[in-house]
Amino acid sequence: DTAVSQTPKYLVTQMGNDKSIKCEQNLGHDTMYWYKQDSKKFLKIMFSYNNKELIINETVPNRFSPKSPDKAHLNLHINSLELGDSAVYFCASSQDPGNYGYTFGSGTRLTVV
Amino acid sequence: DQQVKQNSPSLSVQEGRISILNCDYTNSMFDYFLWYKKYPAEGPTFLISISSIKDKNEDGRFTVFLNKSAKHLSLHIVPSQPGDSAVYFCAASESGGTSYGKLTFGQGTILTVHP
Repeated sequence: DTAVSQTPKYLVTQMGNDKSIKCEQNLGHDTMYWYKQDSKKFLKIMFSYNNKELIINETVPNRFSPKSPDKAHLNLHINSLELGDSAVYFCASSQDPGNYGYTFGSGTRLTVV
Repeated sequence: DQQVKQNSPSLSVQEGRISILNCDYTNSMFDYFLWYKKYPAEGPTFLISISSIKDKNEDGRFTVFLNKSAKHLSLHIVPSQPGDSAVYFCAASESGGTSYGKLTFGQGTILTVHP
């Protein structure tokens, strides 16, 4: 009964490939997010969806495309993977981020070789 | 341009003593602040938050203090326990406009609590 689950947990792929990371939450939250933790350990927001509508889109290469088929799912598709895309990607959801923060998934470690 | 900074990469304390983790921010529009704890190979876990209308919020062993004039917040853990050993992230956000819900994180402080 994991609250926010993302798959796969590890992903190793070659440069130029296209890959997807899936995320699902069973908390009934309205808002979902994708964050990237880079090699310096900073967590930076990439996208945010509220009830399937894109509300935050940070400066992210357009090779990254989020898809939200319903408010419980937010998937991340990455085209033409580059070495610099190697990072840990975290999915999260929230209902009241100011008081209760986010609930994060356990992360997907993407390694591009 | 890092708007949230945790200048201490690591902190080591003895079990039973107080742990104090610090965080500074530069964006005066931030009006709520959060602390997260992260174990290896897991996602961050929400610990405690504080809004800018308060200067202190307490939850069990965890207390967050906010000094708006200094743009500084701190997390106190008393008493510290070995299970508290983790990476602690400070985060901040604006409650208004399109930035609501967008958290800006510091780079984390590794806390080690020795038995």
